[in-house]
Amino acid sequence: DVKVTQSSRYLVKRTGEKVFLECVQDMDHENMFWYRQDPGLGLRLIYFSYDVKMKEKGDIPEGYSVSREKKERFSLILESASTNQTSMYLCASSFREGLAVSWGEQYFGPGTRLTVT
Amino acid sequence: AQSVTQLGSHVSVSEGALVLLRCNYSSSVPPYLFWYVQYPNQGLQLLLKYTSAATLVKGINGFEAEFKKSETSFHLTKPSAHMSDAAEYFCAVTSNQAGTALIFGKGTTLSVSS
Repeated sequence: DVKVTQSSRYLVKRTGEKVFLECVQDMDHENMFWYRQDPGLGLRLIYFSYDVKMKEKGDIPEGYSVSREKKERFSLILESASTNQTSMYLCASSFREGLAVSWGEQYFGPGTRLTVT
Repeated sequence: AQSVTQLGSHVSVSEGALVLLRCNYSSSVPPYLFWYVQYPNQGLQLLLKYTSAATLVKGINGFEAEFKKSETSFHLTKPSAHMSDAAEYFCAVTSNQAGTALIFGKGTTLSVSS
């Protein structure tokens, strides 16, 4: 079974703190993704990566950065957490399939519910 | 740009009733369409994927979806709802552009009553 694990299920941080969310996949997938999920807004893509050390901005990258030093690990960094970053964060991974990053089935982790106070 | 619309943020059915969750994509035919399901306190998992090989796609747990180009739709159905189907369902579409990622709809929450 493909497994995508996220470092924490629940996290509470204070405004201004630097926050690291870690994601690890065990299927040698080329592509990895970070989404945030908010009620009524669905999933919105923050960043994705199609190879080690490669990253691309998604729809809402402001206030976030990412790091992919190893193929299996993709980290999301909140440089200075703010209350509007309180959300559910979902990591996903997929094989490279064809022309576009989006074509392969994505496997999701269980999510990290982050609260910033 | 490609987009996807899910009609109805909440759908309620009785156990044993037909489930119909609606999804429409924008006018250009996408290479692939997906339905994902999210059970409470879990990540998303793939229900089914349309790849143009067949317009009727069968997925897991008795779900299926039909691709209709004339209606730009990819609605999800199940003949008989089960209590365990209660979850949030997301339709997603791809684009032809190499650098773009999956585009998700806003989701439909399915409630099943006994």
